[in-house]
Amino acid sequence: QKEVEQNSGPLSVPEGAIASLNCTYSDRGSQSFFWYRQYSGKSPELIMFIYSNGDKEDGRFTAQLNKASQYVSLLIRDSQPSDSATYLCAVNLGYGGSQGNLIFGKGTKLSVKP
Amino acid sequence: DTGVSQDPRHKITKRGQNVTFRCDPISEHNRLYWYRQTLGQGPEFLTYFQNEAQLEKSRLLSDRFSAERPKGSFSTLEIQRTEQGDSAMYLCASSPGVGGGEQYFGPGTRLTVT
Repeated sequence: QKEVEQNSGPLSVPEGAIASLNCTYSDRGSQSFFWYRQYSGKSPELIMFIYSNGDKEDGRFTAQLNKASQYVSLLIRDSQPSDSATYLCAVNLGYGGSQGNLIFGKGTKLSVKP
Repeated sequence: DTGVSQDPRHKITKRGQNVTFRCDPISEHNRLYWYRQTLGQGPEFLTYFQNEAQLEKSRLLSDRFSAERPKGSFSTLEIQRTEQGDSAMYLCASSPGVGGGEQYFGPGTRLTVT
């Protein structure tokens, strides 16, 4: 059973702080990793993807991947109230998402307090 | 560049009725995916197409579910003899396929079975 685990939260951070979201996965063969943001009642929105060990930065977002530890994280710098949402971690067995389906965690709910 | 569209956005039906949902992917994307999401859970994979070929079906997809993508463009998902347990958000996503596995979601169809 391939699993993706996330702390369900809620994770509460003050405005302007760094929010750190974590995800672990069970299948060591996983190759590509995605973070989606989902506002209440809306569909998931792709915000970051990472395929190689290390860090990948895009604006206020940094994704970090450690395949040896089977761990992927998302850092949000200078958190804003508009970042309040559920963040979904998703994993694909193929490099570059080539394998087909994504396996999702249940998501971490983030609340940014003004 | 229009995103993924889904129709209808909401559907209320009585138990035992058949329903059909439509998804139009991003125009140059040749892969199309269906997922189902219930409250508090991440999306669960149902099936995916590359062009008109259905390449994978989840074991979650019972015989009452069928999906088609006849000309490799839009796709339909039909649920026959609906049950209350089918109530969920049905999400469609598309990706470029060769050259990119990042999946972009449509707004979803919320199904309520009474």
